[in-house]
Amino acid sequence: GEDVEQSLFLSVREGDSSVINCTYTDSSSTYLYWYKQEPGAGLQLLTYIFSNMDMKQDQRLTVLLNKKDKHLSLRIADTQTGDSAIYFCADWANAGGTSYGKLTFGQGTILTVHP
Amino acid sequence: DAEITQSPRHKITETGRQVTLACHQTWNHNNMFWYRQDLGHGLRLIHYSYGVHDTNKGEVSDGYSVSRSNTEDLPLTLESAASSQTSVYFCASSLSAGRGETQYFGPGTRLLVL
Repeated sequence: GEDVEQSLFLSVREGDSSVINCTYTDSSSTYLYWYKQEPGAGLQLLTYIFSNMDMKQDQRLTVLLNKKDKHLSLRIADTQTGDSAIYFCADWANAGGTSYGKLTFGQGTILTVHP
Repeated sequence: DAEITQSPRHKITETGRQVTLACHQTWNHNNMFWYRQDLGHGLRLIHYSYGVHDTNKGEVSDGYSVSRSNTEDLPLTLESAASSQTSVYFCASSLSAGRGETQYFGPGTRLLVL
């Protein structure tokens, strides 16, 4: 079945860049997402990318997609202590060959930002 | 403002009891989802619904059930709670199940089964 993998932990210093990596197995994935979860809260969508794009930039966030290697990354420039959270990648896949679909999430990467 | 709410936010129960977790959204979204979050597993899909009277099993549906009698609500029932069902449960909704459709998440329910 569908699988999405992430490393569990990342620690960076304030002001440095953070890069969170994700790999997926479904070659038919066309939408890939990054969600952020702050302590005690639900998930909020950060950004998403279409499979026909290699890169998407949104302020401090840069998403890179290597479709050949099924590798997705999220770069956070000038990381701040407020960026400390769990980051999930997810991909959208069809359910049973219909137009309906659902998300499959990775395990989440805990980002810790040190002052 | 439209929103998605879950209740209760915290629940302690005993093994064998039936427990129902509520999820209510005011966006008039067609699709609703229940996930559980466990360390090392991320979010795993329990059940989902694409509309009223429609329900589907996710990857970890054993021991859980849902029903969709209206657009706004998708309650999740644990028929006979087990310690393995101690987890954080998230409800989500989206307007449609099309590609790129954003799922909006509730704040979560922490369930402890003793």
